[in-house]
Amino acid sequence: EDQVTQSPEALRLQEGESSSLNCSYTVSGLRGLFWYRQDPGKGPEFLFTLYSAGEEKEKERLKATLTKKESFLHITAPKPEDSATYLCAVELRDTGRRALTFGSGTRLQVQP
Amino acid sequence: ETGVTQSPTHLIKTRGQQVTLRCSSQSGHNTVSWYQQALGQGPQFIFQYYREEENGRGNFPPRFSGLQFPNYSSELNVNALELDDSALYLCASSFEQGVVETQYFGPGTRLLVL
Repeated sequence: EDQVTQSPEALRLQEGESSSLNCSYTVSGLRGLFWYRQDPGKGPEFLFTLYSAGEEKEKERLKATLTKKESFLHITAPKPEDSATYLCAVELRDTGRRALTFGSGTRLQVQP
Repeated sequence: ETGVTQSPTHLIKTRGQQVTLRCSSQSGHNTVSWYQQALGQGPQFIFQYYREEENGRGNFPPRFSGLQFPNYSSELNVNALELDDSALYLCASSFEQGVVETQYFGPGTRLLVL
């Protein structure tokens, strides 16, 4: 069964304390892996798409990387405004539909 | 802003009732997907429409149905509401062009079933 697992479930950091969030996936074929940010009560906000192992993408303090079995979202010198839930999702190959399978997310809290 | 809007923002219904949620996709996007997100969980795929035809369905019963219209709007209908249907309902629009495309989400409709 296709599965996406995120860890840790929750993470509390001090402002400026860098860390990484993990997304591991067990799928029959990966078409793409997505990272989204979600603030409480709002819809997910797109951050990155990764297509193949070895790929990296950066945006401000965030950097996403992809291997054959997992993806990492590295947060460098986080600020309180980076506090949110970070969701990882995969789109599977060999399906006619473009459905995303999400993990349960990592709740990040950055304290000043 | 993604250009995807949803209405209403909040809704309270009682068990057994029917509900219609609405979504307006980003202009030019020919694909809309609906997701259900329970508290503390990631979104779960309900179904997807491409050019007004259902293009895939997740593990949801037939009482969840939908429509997509030519003007980039769509609806999610849920009949015979159950308590477990209480969740945040998200629509996402994208442009199908043969490669991986990004799904852009609306703000969601929070449904409470009493």
